[in-house]
Amino acid sequence: DQQVKQNSPSLSVQEGRISILNCDYTNSMFDYFLWYKKYPAEGPTFLISISSIKDKNEDGRFTVFLNKSAKHLSLHIVPSQPGDSAVYFCAATWSGTYKYIFGTGTRLKVLA
Amino acid sequence: DAGVTQSPTHLIKTRGQQVTLRCSPKSGHDTVSWYQQALGQGPQFIFQYYEEEERQRGNFPDRFSGHQFPNYSSELNVNALLLGDSALYLCASLERDNEQFFGPGTRLTVL
Repeated sequence: DQQVKQNSPSLSVQEGRISILNCDYTNSMFDYFLWYKKYPAEGPTFLISISSIKDKNEDGRFTVFLNKSAKHLSLHIVPSQPGDSAVYFCAATWSGTYKYIFGTGTRLKVLA
Repeated sequence: DAGVTQSPTHLIKTRGQQVTLRCSPKSGHDTVSWYQQALGQGPQFIFQYYEEEERQRGNFPDRFSGHQFPNYSSELNVNALLLGDSALYLCASLERDNEQFFGPGTRLTVL
């Protein structure tokens, strides 16, 4: 049972435009969500997170939006840069657990 | 600060063998989690160690076991290897309940 889903395996975006990566979840217990970026031969790197008490969190070019009623979150990257090309994982967790549930990832390619 | 380090980088084993993977956490981190990332999948939680004890376990069989040492480093042991155990094994360390920092992983291939 895939509790965290990233339905787009890949995404290509022109440099300077907006990249939007989507993530859906099924477990209502999730109360904290994270995005990780992964380059080849490296471990995932934390990017940005959001608590379920918020609907938006911003950090520089990265913004995460959370729609709890739809059980959906998205990561916006503006403007996109070639260095943003990587695999992006959405992850979720909840109070009282120590494990993160990851989606299957979306490979973003930013074209110069 | 070296961050989270893992050894070895790559490993090839045959079915039925046993393997030990190692992880050194980021300086100051006392908690270590292990994840398995199969090809085309996201990381899946195996277990977490804190104060040398397994604090929580994911849906993995008993063939997967671990250990944490007094210096907070950790080992992941897998017995009776199956072809399906081929994956990237990631270690993540954290200080108390803060953000997880991942190592580069160990690529295990089971033939």
